[in-house]
Amino acid sequence: DAGITQSPRHKVTETGTPVTLRCHQTENHRYMYWYRQDPGHGLRLIHYSYGVKDTDKGEVSDGYSVSRSKTEDFLLTLESATSSQTSVYFCAAGAGGRTYEQYFGPGTRLTVT
Amino acid sequence: SQQGEEDPQALSIQEGENATMNCSYKTSINNLQWYRQNSGRGLVHLILIRSNEREKHSGRLRVTLDTSKKSSSLLITASRAADTASYFCATDGGSGTYKYIFGTGTRLKVLA
Repeated sequence: DAGITQSPRHKVTETGTPVTLRCHQTENHRYMYWYRQDPGHGLRLIHYSYGVKDTDKGEVSDGYSVSRSKTEDFLLTLESATSSQTSVYFCAAGAGGRTYEQYFGPGTRLTVT
Repeated sequence: SQQGEEDPQALSIQEGENATMNCSYKTSINNLQWYRQNSGRGLVHLILIRSNEREKHSGRLRVTLDTSKKSSSLLITASRAADTASYFCATDGGSGTYKYIFGTGTRLKVLA
Protein backbone atom coordinates (compact mmCIF):
# COMPACT_ATOMS: atom_id res chain seq x y z
CA ASP A 1 0.00 0.00 0.00
CA ALA A 2 3.09 2.26 0.08
CA GLY A 3 1.89 3.84 3.30
CA ILE A 4 -1.54 5.04 2.15
CA THR A 5 -4.22 4.99 4.80
CA GLN A 6 -7.81 6.14 4.62
CA SER A 7 -10.21 7.04 7.37
CA PRO A 8 -12.85 6.16 8.11
CA ARG A 9 -13.00 2.80 6.35
CA HIS A 10 -16.78 2.63 6.55
CA LYS A 11 -19.32 5.36 7.09
CA VAL A 12 -23.08 5.60 7.01
CA THR A 13 -24.51 9.08 6.92
CA GLU A 14 -27.79 10.80 6.18
CA THR A 15 -28.68 12.86 3.15
CA GLY A 16 -27.77 16.50 3.58
CA THR A 17 -25.00 16.03 6.12
CA PRO A 18 -21.40 17.05 5.42
CA VAL A 19 -18.83 14.28 5.28
CA THR A 20 -15.04 14.43 5.24
CA LEU A 21 -12.83 11.55 4.20
CA ARG A 22 -9.15 11.60 5.03
CA CYS A 23 -6.20 10.19 3.12
CA HIS A 24 -2.76 10.03 4.68
CA GLN A 25 0.49 9.00 3.02
CA THR A 26 3.91 8.44 4.51
CA GLU A 27 6.04 8.45 1.34
CA ASN A 28 6.11 12.20 0.64
CA HIS A 29 4.57 11.71 -2.81
CA ARG A 30 3.80 14.90 -4.68
CA TYR A 31 0.58 13.78 -6.34
CA MET A 32 -2.55 12.62 -4.57
CA TYR A 33 -5.91 11.56 -5.98
CA TRP A 34 -9.46 10.84 -4.97
CA TYR A 35 -11.51 8.36 -7.00
CA ARG A 36 -14.91 6.82 -6.62
CA GLN A 37 -15.70 3.30 -7.75
CA ASP A 38 -19.19 2.26 -8.76
CA PRO A 39 -20.41 -0.89 -10.52
CA GLY A 40 -20.24 -0.47 -14.28
CA HIS A 41 -18.19 2.72 -14.08
CA GLY A 42 -14.77 1.58 -12.98
CA LEU A 43 -12.76 4.25 -11.18
CA ARG A 44 -13.60 7.86 -11.83
CA LEU A 45 -11.38 10.73 -10.80
CA ILE A 46 -12.99 13.24 -8.46
CA HIS A 47 -10.10 15.59 -7.70
CA TYR A 48 -6.38 15.42 -7.67
CA SER A 49 -3.55 17.42 -6.15
CA TYR A 50 -0.16 18.20 -7.65
CA GLY A 51 1.24 19.82 -4.54
CA VAL A 52 0.34 21.46 -1.28
CA LYS A 53 -2.61 23.76 -1.89
CA ASP A 54 -2.58 22.85 -5.62
CA THR A 55 -5.63 20.91 -6.73
CA ASP A 56 -7.57 20.29 -9.92
CA LYS A 57 -10.94 18.84 -10.78
CA GLY A 58 -11.51 15.41 -12.21
CA GLU A 59 -14.39 14.11 -14.28
CA VAL A 60 -16.92 13.83 -11.42
CA SER A 61 -16.09 16.76 -9.14
CA ASP A 62 -19.57 18.24 -8.65
CA GLY A 63 -20.62 18.08 -5.00
CA TYR A 64 -17.07 17.43 -3.79
CA SER A 65 -14.29 19.67 -2.53
CA VAL A 66 -10.74 18.86 -1.48
CA SER A 67 -7.98 20.39 0.54
CA ARG A 68 -4.31 19.67 0.90
CA SER A 69 -2.58 21.75 3.55
CA LYS A 70 0.25 19.26 4.10
CA THR A 71 2.05 16.93 1.71
CA GLU A 72 0.88 13.86 3.59
CA ASP A 73 -2.83 14.63 3.92
CA PHE A 74 -5.54 14.98 1.28
CA LEU A 75 -9.09 15.56 2.46
CA LEU A 76 -12.25 14.95 0.45
CA THR A 77 -15.41 16.74 1.60
CA LEU A 78 -18.95 16.10 0.54
CA GLU A 79 -20.58 19.41 1.38
CA SER A 80 -24.09 17.99 1.55
CA ALA A 81 -24.18 14.24 0.98
CA THR A 82 -26.68 12.79 -1.48
CA SER A 83 -27.67 9.19 -2.13
CA SER A 84 -25.88 9.35 -5.50
CA GLN A 85 -22.63 9.75 -3.59
CA THR A 86 -22.99 6.31 -2.04
CA SER A 87 -19.85 4.64 -3.33
CA VAL A 88 -16.45 3.25 -2.49
CA TYR A 89 -13.86 6.01 -2.38
CA PHE A 90 -10.19 5.37 -3.06
CA CYS A 91 -7.28 7.63 -2.40
CA ALA A 92 -4.04 7.25 -4.31
CA ALA A 93 -0.63 8.88 -4.35
CA GLY A 94 2.18 9.07 -6.86
CA ALA A 95 5.68 10.45 -6.91
CA GLY A 96 5.59 12.12 -10.31
CA GLY A 97 8.79 12.77 -12.21
CA ARG A 98 9.56 9.71 -14.33
CA THR A 99 7.35 7.60 -12.09
CA TYR A 100 3.73 7.36 -13.14
CA GLU A 101 2.68 4.56 -10.83
CA GLN A 102 -0.09 5.32 -8.35
CA TYR A 103 -0.31 3.68 -4.94
CA PHE A 104 -3.79 3.11 -3.65
CA GLY A 105 -5.29 3.12 -0.21
CA PRO A 106 -7.68 0.41 1.02
CA GLY A 107 -10.84 2.41 0.26
CA THR A 108 -13.71 3.92 2.22
CA ARG A 109 -17.19 2.55 1.79
CA LEU A 110 -19.66 5.42 2.16
CA THR A 111 -23.40 4.88 2.36
CA VAL A 112 -25.73 7.87 2.23
CA THR A 113 -29.24 7.04 3.42
CA SER B 1 -16.84 9.30 -20.57
CA GLN B 2 -14.30 6.60 -19.98
CA GLN B 3 -11.00 6.88 -21.81
CA GLY B 4 -10.27 3.20 -21.47
CA GLU B 5 -12.70 0.39 -22.09
CA GLU B 6 -11.71 -3.15 -21.21
CA ASP B 7 -12.88 -6.20 -23.04
CA PRO B 8 -14.18 -8.67 -22.06
CA GLN B 9 -16.03 -7.43 -19.00
CA ALA B 10 -15.66 -10.84 -17.40
CA LEU B 11 -13.49 -13.86 -18.11
CA SER B 12 -13.46 -17.30 -16.54
CA ILE B 13 -10.61 -19.75 -17.25
CA GLN B 14 -9.01 -22.86 -15.82
CA GLU B 15 -5.81 -22.70 -13.83
CA GLY B 16 -2.82 -23.03 -16.14
CA GLU B 17 -4.52 -21.38 -19.10
CA ASN B 18 -3.59 -17.99 -20.47
CA ALA B 19 -5.83 -14.96 -19.94
CA THR B 20 -5.99 -12.08 -22.37
CA MET B 21 -7.65 -8.75 -21.66
CA ASN B 22 -7.95 -5.83 -24.01
CA CYS B 23 -8.16 -2.10 -23.50
CA SER B 24 -9.24 0.46 -26.05
CA TYR B 25 -8.88 4.18 -25.60
CA LYS B 26 -9.98 7.26 -27.47
CA THR B 27 -7.25 9.88 -27.56
CA SER B 28 -3.49 9.85 -27.94
CA ILE B 29 -1.49 8.83 -24.89
CA ASN B 30 1.97 9.20 -23.44
CA ASN B 31 1.72 5.94 -21.55
CA LEU B 32 -0.72 3.29 -20.44
CA GLN B 33 -0.79 1.37 -17.18
CA TRP B 34 -2.41 -1.83 -16.02
CA TYR B 35 -3.61 -2.35 -12.46
CA ARG B 36 -5.04 -5.30 -10.54
CA GLN B 37 -7.71 -5.11 -7.87
CA ASN B 38 -8.44 -7.98 -5.55
CA SER B 39 -11.93 -8.06 -4.15
CA GLY B 40 -12.47 -5.36 -1.55
CA ARG B 41 -8.97 -3.97 -1.88
CA GLY B 42 -7.21 -1.00 -3.46
CA LEU B 43 -5.63 -1.21 -6.89
CA VAL B 44 -2.08 -2.42 -7.35
CA HIS B 45 0.12 -1.28 -10.23
CA LEU B 46 1.23 -4.08 -12.55
CA ILE B 47 3.03 -2.59 -15.51
CA LEU B 48 3.44 0.58 -17.55
CA ILE B 49 4.05 0.81 -21.27
CA ARG B 50 5.06 4.01 -22.98
CA SER B 51 3.66 5.20 -26.27
CA ASN B 52 6.94 4.46 -28.09
CA GLU B 53 6.98 0.84 -26.85
CA ARG B 54 5.14 -2.01 -28.53
CA GLU B 55 5.60 -4.80 -26.02
CA LYS B 56 6.70 -5.19 -22.44
CA HIS B 57 7.14 -8.17 -20.13
CA SER B 58 7.09 -8.56 -16.38
CA GLY B 59 7.16 -12.09 -15.03
CA ARG B 60 4.05 -13.86 -16.33
CA LEU B 61 2.63 -10.60 -17.69
CA ARG B 62 2.96 -9.46 -21.27
CA VAL B 63 1.56 -6.13 -22.39
CA THR B 64 1.28 -4.94 -25.95
CA LEU B 65 0.39 -1.51 -27.25
CA ASP B 66 -0.87 -0.57 -30.69
CA THR B 67 -1.13 3.20 -30.87
CA SER B 68 -2.50 3.10 -34.41
CA LYS B 69 -5.49 1.11 -33.16
CA LYS B 70 -5.54 2.86 -29.78
CA SER B 71 -5.53 -0.46 -27.99
CA SER B 72 -3.52 -2.47 -25.51
CA SER B 73 -3.69 -6.04 -24.35
CA LEU B 74 -2.63 -7.72 -21.13
CA LEU B 75 -1.71 -11.39 -21.27
CA ILE B 76 -1.31 -13.43 -18.11
CA THR B 77 0.38 -16.74 -18.86
CA ALA B 78 -0.06 -19.94 -16.88
CA SER B 79 -2.75 -18.38 -14.72
CA ARG B 80 -3.18 -19.27 -11.07
CA ALA B 81 -6.14 -19.08 -8.74
CA ALA B 82 -4.39 -16.13 -7.06
CA ASP B 83 -4.72 -14.18 -10.32
CA THR B 84 -8.47 -13.97 -9.73
CA ALA B 85 -9.11 -10.22 -9.60
CA SER B 86 -10.31 -7.28 -11.65
CA TYR B 87 -7.87 -5.73 -14.08
CA PHE B 88 -7.96 -2.10 -15.17
CA CYS B 89 -6.13 -0.08 -17.76
CA ALA B 90 -5.37 3.58 -17.13
CA THR B 91 -4.37 6.20 -19.66
CA ASP B 92 -3.11 9.74 -19.36
CA GLY B 93 -5.03 10.93 -22.40
CA GLY B 94 -1.85 12.54 -23.76
CA SER B 95 -2.40 15.31 -21.25
CA GLY B 96 1.18 15.52 -20.11
CA THR B 97 -0.11 15.57 -16.55
CA TYR B 98 -0.23 12.83 -13.97
CA LYS B 99 -4.00 12.67 -14.24
CA TYR B 100 -5.19 9.26 -15.37
CA ILE B 101 -8.47 7.87 -16.57
CA PHE B 102 -9.32 4.31 -15.68
CA GLY B 103 -11.41 1.90 -17.67
CA THR B 104 -14.30 -0.15 -16.36
CA GLY B 105 -12.20 -3.26 -15.82
CA THR B 106 -12.17 -6.96 -16.67
CA ARG B 107 -13.18 -9.40 -13.94
CA LEU B 108 -10.99 -12.48 -14.20
CA LYS B 109 -11.84 -15.69 -12.43
CA VAL B 110 -9.30 -18.50 -12.46
CA LEU B 111 -10.78 -21.85 -11.52
CA ALA B 112 -8.58 -24.32 -9.66
